Amino acid sequence: GQSLEQPSEVTAVEGAIVQINCTYQTSGFYGLSWYQQHDGGAPTFLSYNGLDGLEETGRFSSFLSRSDSYGYLLLQELQMKDSASYFCAVASGGSYIPTFGRGTSLIVHP
Amino acid sequence: DTAVSQTPKYLVTQMGNDKSIKCEQNLGHDTMYWYKQDSKKFLKIMFSYNNKELIINETVPNRFSPKSPDKAHLNLHINSLELGDSAVYFCASSQEYNYGYTFGSGTRLTVV
Repeated sequence: GQSLEQPSEVTAVEGAIVQINCTYQTSGFYGLSWYQQHDGGAPTFLSYNGLDGLEETGRFSSFLSRSDSYGYLLLQELQMKDSASYFCAVASGGSYIPTFGRGTSLIVHP
Repeated sequence: DTAVSQTPKYLVTQMGNDKSIKCEQNLGHDTMYWYKQDSKKFLKIMFSYNNKELIINETVPNRFSPKSPDKAHLNLHINSLELGDSAVYFCASSQEYNYGYTFGSGTRLTVV
């Protein structure tokens, strides 16, 4: 089976940088995705890493190390609107369909 | 607007009833999905479907069934609703199987 571990909650102040880690155990790994979900809203796709390294999209970056079964989402210049839940998701095995982690609640303080 | 739209947004119903949730996407994606999100925000895949293949999560009770009249629609039918079915159900679609999902706004189902 698959398992993903990510912290349940992270807090930071406006303007800071925060890193949300995700470790996974799986077979036949295809890629690691990140999604953002505000309370009462739908998950929104942020980024995808299929190969090792860093992918940058504006204030958000995502990193993957396949040898370490580890990835992270880096959020820079935090804004209050970044307060949300962040999910890592791993696609692997024969079904290709991502399995989601249990989410990290990011709380940004002024 | 290009999007995944699902209706209704809220659904309150009694135990034992049968209900349906509709989903439509105009993104031209080949694959659609249904996810269930419980009160602890755990997102669990229920089904994925394209015009070639239906993949069912084996843990989903057979009271749940997807119906796809065409590539742009994937409806969810639930028979004999139970209290434990209360959750938020999200429809999603993607062009690639493993990333870049676009989610609908969700249907909050409450079984009383």
